[in-house]
This record gives sequence, C-alpha cells and structure tokens, in this order.
Amino acid sequence: DGGITQSPKYLFRKEGQNVTLSCEQNLNHDAMYWYRQDPGQGLRLIYYSQIVNDFQKGDIAEGYSVSREKKESFPLTVTSAQKNPTAFYLCASAGTGPTDTQYFGPGTRLTVL
Amino acid sequence: AQKVTQAQTEISVVEKEDVTLDCVYETRDTTYYLFWYKQPPSGELVFLIRRNSFDEQNEISGRYSWNFQKSTSSFNFTITASQVVDSAVYFCALSNYGQNFVFGPGTRLSVLP
Repeated sequence: DGGITQSPKYLFRKEGQNVTLSCEQNLNHDAMYWYRQDPGQGLRLIYYSQIVNDFQKGDIAEGYSVSREKKESFPLTVTSAQKNPTAFYLCASAGTGPTDTQYFGPGTRLTVL
Repeated sequence: AQKVTQAQTEISVVEKEDVTLDCVYETRDTTYYLFWYKQPPSGELVFLIRRNSFDEQNEISGRYSWNFQKSTSSFNFTITASQVVDSAVYFCALSNYGQNFVFGPGTRLSVLP
C-alpha cells in the first residue's frame, strides 16, 4: 500500500533532550513537509523540502532541524532549543511542489515531561 | 499575502441535519488552488477535494458538496444528512505557484446522535 508513515505515534521526552521524528513515504513524491499542530489550533509549517538534499525553513523553524538524504525520508529533529515542543507533529508529501495536493501521515504526538 | 479564514470555530448539529462550513480566502494571484481536509479524532488529515481557480463548477461527491465563488472569495463545504462519523475538524487550505499551503484555523464539527 502506498502512503506515509510516521513513527513513533507517541513520544515522551525529558527537557533538554533532542528527539527525532521519522517520516517515510512510498508515493514517489518529490516534496515533503513538517507541520506542528497545537491543541485546538491549525497547522503551522516547520520545514519543507522539494528535492533531495535541499530544504527550506517554514514559519516556525527555530528549535527544529531536518535532513533529506533520501527521497523517501524526511526526519525531523526537535532540539533542546525548542522551548515548547509538546505538540502534534504531522508530516506530508506532495507530487511536484507547492500547488500539488499534500497527503498526510498519521502524526506523532510529542510530550515533554 | 495569502490568508484563509474559517469563521466558524465550532458547529454542533443533530444527525441528519445539513451543515455548511464556510471558507473565505485572500490571495493576489489569479492562479491558485483550494483544498478541504478532514481531521478525525485519530489525527490524520484526510484529503477531500482540490479545486483550481479557473474551475468554478460546484462539485458533489455523495453527501459532500462544495460551492466555489470567486466573486466572494469563498469555497464553502456542505454535508447533507450529516452522520456521527462526520464529526471531525475540517480545514480549508490555499496554495499558489511559488507559495506553500496556507491552512485555515479549522472548524470543529460535532454531529450528535
């Protein structure tokens, strides 16, 4: 089945620790995105990548880092510099860029203890 | 700048009622795309529809219908004969060439049995 997988589904982190969220897609999409969603809020763009080995900051990139070494994978690292990391993180991919339909993974819920 | 407004924060209806979710957008571009996504309690965003700015035809898919009016910059979504399974948060989104998606804040729909 084609789709987007995110792991883990739930993640707990102690303050001061870095943590990496996984996002993998087998849709052969060029573009991938990371969003953050806070309770009762909309989606905010963290980072996006339109091609392997290239990525751009979104609206709230501070305290986050990404890599895009493979077309299928776009991991997100939440660093200790992110002051309020508890949120729901959604990964998406799209075929050719900004206007193509984005398809979403199931999300990772990160809680900082 | 692009902007999407969903003025209805929460809506509650009783099963079998019809309900319309409003979406108003702002963009200076003549070519753009509009989307609706559904986010059920599980969290994953489910793509519902994509419409380009040159196609103002209304669309119907089962109990779902969409009304696109460029004159009022609106792309409203109607659910006919609502069901409990329609309970979710619904997001309207906008994209155009060279820009990333802009999501509205979402409308939480509760369908009561």
